[in-house]
Amino acid sequence: KNEVEQSPQNLTAQEGEFITINCSYSVGISALHWLQQHPGGGIVSLFMLSSGKKKHGRLIATINIQEKHSSLHITASHPRDSAVYICAVPNFGNEKLTFGTGTRLTIIP
Amino acid sequence: NAGVTQTPKFQVLKTGQSMTLQCAQDMNHEYMSWYRQDPGMGLRLIHYSVGAGITDQGEVPNGYNVSRSTTEDFPLRLLSAAPSQTSVYFCASSYGDLPTYEQYFGPGTRLTVT
Repeated sequence: KNEVEQSPQNLTAQEGEFITINCSYSVGISALHWLQQHPGGGIVSLFMLSSGKKKHGRLIATINIQEKHSSLHITASHPRDSAVYICAVPNFGNEKLTFGTGTRLTIIP
Repeated sequence: NAGVTQTPKFQVLKTGQSMTLQCAQDMNHEYMSWYRQDPGMGLRLIHYSVGAGITDQGEVPNGYNVSRSTTEDFPLRLLSAAPSQTSVYFCASSYGDLPTYEQYFGPGTRLTVT
């Protein structure tokens, strides 16, 4: 089974700071998902990436397949970025996803 | 498009009662799945379906049944509710099989079993 670890578990930062959230996994994969869970509970998909880097607005996701590691960066953080960020990787022959426990991010104005 | 819808949003059951959580999507997605989310744990897969008429078990299937008679609907049935099934339940869908396709999540159902 692919094991997923996220760090840190909790992160509090001031508005405007550069944020980095990390995700490590144990078994080689073909793609990794980053998700955002809002304080109200809804979950949205942010990125799906298999190599290199993807950017969407102030969010950047990178992945290093050899090191089995991915990072999610937020530039110029804003209080509306406060959420739980979750990474997920394929498991069991690519039919299922294993989810990390999430990183709770709080941005203080 | 409504995306993925779930009903009800909240539910309280007594131990032993049964109920069905509804999930529907209007995106013509083949792949649908049910997850539960518990404090301190990642989302865990209960059951999934790769198309109408095809279902399979996930990581934590005990105490739950599913069926997929249409592409749009994927209900989750609790056969005899237990306090251990107190959780938040999410339904998700994607165009194709994971991990190649983005998942779309419903708003969740918060279930309490007393």
